[in-house]
Amino acid sequence: EVQLVESGGGLVQPGRSLRLSCAASGFSFDDYAMHWVRQAPGKGLEWVSGISWNSGSIGYADSVKGRFTISRDNAKNSLYLQMNSLRAEDMALYYCAKDRWGNIVGGALDYWGQGTLVTVSS
Amino acid sequence: QSALTQPASVSGSPGQSITVSCTGTSSDVGSYNLVSWYLQHPGKAPKLLVYEDTKRPSGVSNRFSGSKSGNTASLTISGLQAEDEADYYCCSYARGTTLVFGGGTKLTVL
Repeated sequence: EVQLVESGGGLVQPGRSLRLSCAASGFSFDDYAMHWVRQAPGKGLEWVSGISWNSGSIGYADSVKGRFTISRDNAKNSLYLQMNSLRAEDMALYYCAKDRWGNIVGGALDYWGQGTLVTVSS
Repeated sequence: QSALTQPASVSGSPGQSITVSCTGTSSDVGSYNLVSWYLQHPGKAPKLLVYEDTKRPSGVSNRFSGSKSGNTASLTISGLQAEDEADYYCCSYARGTTLVFGGGTKLTVL
């Protein structure tokens, strides 16, 4: 059974940093691209970042480019999102999602975690 | 990276068919066969319904079907059921190695 479990969310002050993690199991993690998607309270889905199976292809939404860094450790079946210079508008539930394919171009996110909540407030 | 345009809400009665539209541009929806559709019930994670414009993952009911014409993709739900009441999102690959979601459509089953 595919499982994606996010962690690392919490309350953080504006301008500070936070690192999210996603532990994957139940599939060959190193064969698939992975993504972070966020959802602000009461709002729609927003794609944040994606990384290909071998980290060779990475993409970011304009809203986080230069502040967030996605990475993965295939040996640990884990996905990460380093978030720096956090802003109030980054407050959201952050989902980790698996792609059907190895590259991020496909954008078919077939499994999702339950999300980890990031609250940005002073 | 502008969001794809979806109607805020649609509604239908049980047994009817409804269609949700998703309008993009020639830089995303119109240039790639890479539109996907997701269903999200309140408080739950999204679920993939359609990928690559028209394909359904195994286990997804054939009541859900995707199509596309030019810069507009569509999701049709036939034989509406009460459990179809949810939010629906489209998503497309966009030039520049990014993905972009639509704003979401709330489906009400009357």
